[in-house]
Amino acid sequence: SYELAQPPSVSVSPGQTARITCSGDALPKQFAYWYQQKPGQAPVLVIHKDTERPSGIPDRFSGSSSGTTVTLTISGVQAEDEADYYCQSADSSGSYPVVFGEGTKLTVL
Amino acid sequence: QVQLVQSGPEVKKPGASLKVSCKASGYTFISHGISWVRQAPGQGLEWMGWINTYNGNTKYSQSFQGRITMTSNTSTSSAYMELRGLRSDDTAVYYCTRVPATPSFYFDHWDQGTLVTVSS
Repeated sequence: SYELAQPPSVSVSPGQTARITCSGDALPKQFAYWYQQKPGQAPVLVIHKDTERPSGIPDRFSGSSSGTTVTLTISGVQAEDEADYYCQSADSSGSYPVVFGEGTKLTVL
Repeated sequence: QVQLVQSGPEVKKPGASLKVSCKASGYTFISHGISWVRQAPGQGLEWMGWINTYNGNTKYSQSFQGRITMTSNTSTSSAYMELRGLRSDDTAVYYCTRVPATPSFYFDHWDQGTLVTVSS
């Protein structure tokens, strides 16, 4: 199987910068995607193809990639950003075309 | 605007089958695939499979091979996910998602989900 590793939790104060990482061996070859999920709601795509932001997503959300790690950065964190964040990608062989990380709970202190 | 509307909550007994529907609107149905993703209570996201709504081709997660079938109906812009041999660990919220027309699978629109409870 193929796994994407995320930290279980990240905590920041309002106005600070939150960085959530996602690591996987195939990430140099495969795009990563990020979803935000608030309690009781469906996930929302916040970053696609490593760094692209869908329309309607605030520009404080950004993505980056370096080797086997991709990072979701939220600048100037707001209370409304408190949520679970999931990365998603694929393995390099095609055996696992969709894999989700286990999710990171972002807490705004 | 893009909308995906799923069928309502279900309660099933172990061993039964489940069929969830997803009606799409606000875009050209056959231009985008549909994937199903589920989330057990308090757990993460699990991809189940994908259907090409243009030609009906499917790709299923190995975890569900043999007990899942995805179909679509272009005349009603609807997709369906059938899961057989339900177990208690199939209790989850099942999401219908739109897959953009790219080589990679990702999900740019999600419905609010269908809660499925499997219990004797």
